[in-house]
Amino acid sequence: NAGVTQTPKFRILKIGQSMTLQCAQDMNHNYMYWYRQDPGMGLKLIYYSVGAGITDKGEVPNGYNVSRSTTEDFPLRLELAAPSQTSVYFCASSALGGIGEKLFFGSGTQLSVL
Amino acid sequence: AQSVTQLGSHVSVSEGALVLLRCNYSSSVPPYLFWYVQYPNQGLQLLLKYTTGATLVKGINGFEAEFKKSETSFHLTKPSAHMSDAAEYFCAVRPISNFGNEKLTFGTGTRLTIIP
Repeated sequence: NAGVTQTPKFRILKIGQSMTLQCAQDMNHNYMYWYRQDPGMGLKLIYYSVGAGITDKGEVPNGYNVSRSTTEDFPLRLELAAPSQTSVYFCASSALGGIGEKLFFGSGTQLSVL
Repeated sequence: AQSVTQLGSHVSVSEGALVLLRCNYSSSVPPYLFWYVQYPNQGLQLLLKYTTGATLVKGINGFEAEFKKSETSFHLTKPSAHMSDAAEYFCAVRPISNFGNEKLTFGTGTRLTIIP
């Protein structure tokens, strides 16, 4: 019953530091997504992947990188953290990414860059 | 380009009263429509969705939504609010595509507060 698991739940970074947000799903889903959620702004898509070895940019990719070496894992890398990256980050997955496909979300990572 | 607008960032209703959360979309072709709910400190969960067929869609926890093409709306309702309905609600749209890789666009969310 794990679903989508994100680690860590909370993190404080100093400006210029780097870190990786981990995301893993055990549902054998092909599609995986990273969103950021800012107050009053809804969710913005950062990157997504349609399968192992395939990734693409979303709406707000600058300052982030991703990789997808396995079906299960989709880590998000922050290089040179900036205060503008303070946000709540959600990873999500779906089976096919197709018509009406339901997204399964992790519980989020709250990141502060100071 | 498509967009989605949720009217009212905060809505308060009394326990037992009608819940109405508004969502309008902007798209040249009616998209697929979704409502997600986010409980405190949790990720989003799908409440209901409209793809094709009957325009009144029933979801979990007694919620329903009606797709009205003429009004470009997909408002969420529940006849009688319960304390456990307190959460943030997001409307989302996805364009109709033959490729199956179109992304969701989320609204800015509506925080629902239930007054005892």
